[in-house]
Amino acid sequence: LAKTTQPISMDSYEGQEVNITCSHNNIATNDYITWYQQFPSQGPRFIIQGYKTKVTNEVASLFIPADRKSSTLSLPRVSLSDTAVYYCLVGDPTDSWGKLQFGAGTQVVVTP
Amino acid sequence: DTAVSQTPKYLVTQMGNDKSIKCEQNLGHDTMYWYKQDSKKFLKIMFSYNNKELIINETVPNRFSPKSPDKAHLNLHINSLELGDSAVYFCASSRGQGDNYGYTFGSGTRLTVV
Repeated sequence: LAKTTQPISMDSYEGQEVNITCSHNNIATNDYITWYQQFPSQGPRFIIQGYKTKVTNEVASLFIPADRKSSTLSLPRVSLSDTAVYYCLVGDPTDSWGKLQFGAGTQVVVTP
Repeated sequence: DTAVSQTPKYLVTQMGNDKSIKCEQNLGHDTMYWYKQDSKKFLKIMFSYNNKELIINETVPNRFSPKSPDKAHLNLHINSLELGDSAVYFCASSRGQGDNYGYTFGSGTRLTVV
């Protein structure tokens, strides 16, 4: 499984854009990049997944460069409710079945 | 209508006791998991079941025994609880192999062993 590295924490103010970069230098050809969000006292929640280039949904955007050795999760105009831990995972969804391991994640704190 | 529900949400017990955590999913998913989250927020896979069959059993002590009576339920029984078992345990489910939509997690069970 590709190992991921992401910052331990990031601080932001309300209304700003937050970009979290995840490094995954040994990503395999069949691997996808998936991000989860975890609020205190809750389980992680799937927010976005991508393979290459750019993916956007109602919550976030995911930017993946051509070499796929890193990816950036972008949260537009964050609010206080976006304070959470964000996890980057890399793996083959057709072969996952629980093999995906969550690292320590990035604690994002949004303040007024 | 909760997709993945776990009970109880909090569990405080003494060392040496036996306890169970229940999990149910109403998503029609084929695969269910148990994860353990320690104080440093690392989430580690413990078990994975697909259609009631054990698929993954990571290096978990034999005191932990999962049971899946049907594909909508995956319970976790823990014997002879130890202080180090204190953590948050999450149940999750997914559509199984070929799932590009990720896992759906329950809200967790905070186990405290005293």
